[in-house]
Amino acid sequence: AQTVTQSQPEMSVQEAETVTLSCTYDTSESNYYLFWYKQPPSRQMILVIRQEAYKQQNATENRFSVNFQKAAKSFSLKISDSQLGDTAMYFCAWLASPNDMRFGAGTRLTVKP
Amino acid sequence: DSGVTQTPKHLITATGQRVTLRCSPRSGDLSVYWYQQSLDQGLQFLIQYYNGEERAKGNILERFSAQQFPDLHSELNLSSLELGDSALYFCASSVEGWDEQFFGPGTRLTVL
Repeated sequence: AQTVTQSQPEMSVQEAETVTLSCTYDTSESNYYLFWYKQPPSRQMILVIRQEAYKQQNATENRFSVNFQKAAKSFSLKISDSQLGDTAMYFCAWLASPNDMRFGAGTRLTVKP
Repeated sequence: DSGVTQTPKHLITATGQRVTLRCSPRSGDLSVYWYQQSLDQGLQFLIQYYNGEERAKGNILERFSAQQFPDLHSELNLSSLELGDSALYFCASSVEGWDEQFFGPGTRLTVL
């Protein structure tokens, strides 16, 4: 089965510090996309960052960056200079075909003042 | 604001009833997806439509059905509701299917 695993159900970080959320996936596909979505207490699902598997360069969006290790099937999210507004549930997602987006179970991140 | 709209925001109903959830995708998006998220749970994919046709089915119960209309808005119909159907129902859209999905604000369904 092709799955997405987030092994950290909960994490916390002090404001202004850096935190890394882990995600691994299992696939035999060579071309796919990976995403991180954020779900704050409002429950809105917000796209944070995307990575195309054919690109070796890690994606970056302001304070958010990924460490994409294709051979290891790992896709971690690094949040730098954490802010209180980063408190949310974070979902890793993998898209291997146009009809099949798989989500991990999520990591609940709390940023402490 | 993702550009995806969902109505209603909240819905409270009784067991055995039938409800319809509505979704309007972002302008230009042809694919619509429906997801169910129970309390503190992940997202369960229900069904996808592309340009009016069903394209993929996930863990959707037989009591649930959906359709996408010519103007590309979509409706999710839930019937013979049970307490366990209480959840947040998300609609998402994408241009086709081979790209990121943008989510609506969700409809919170409470079955009493």
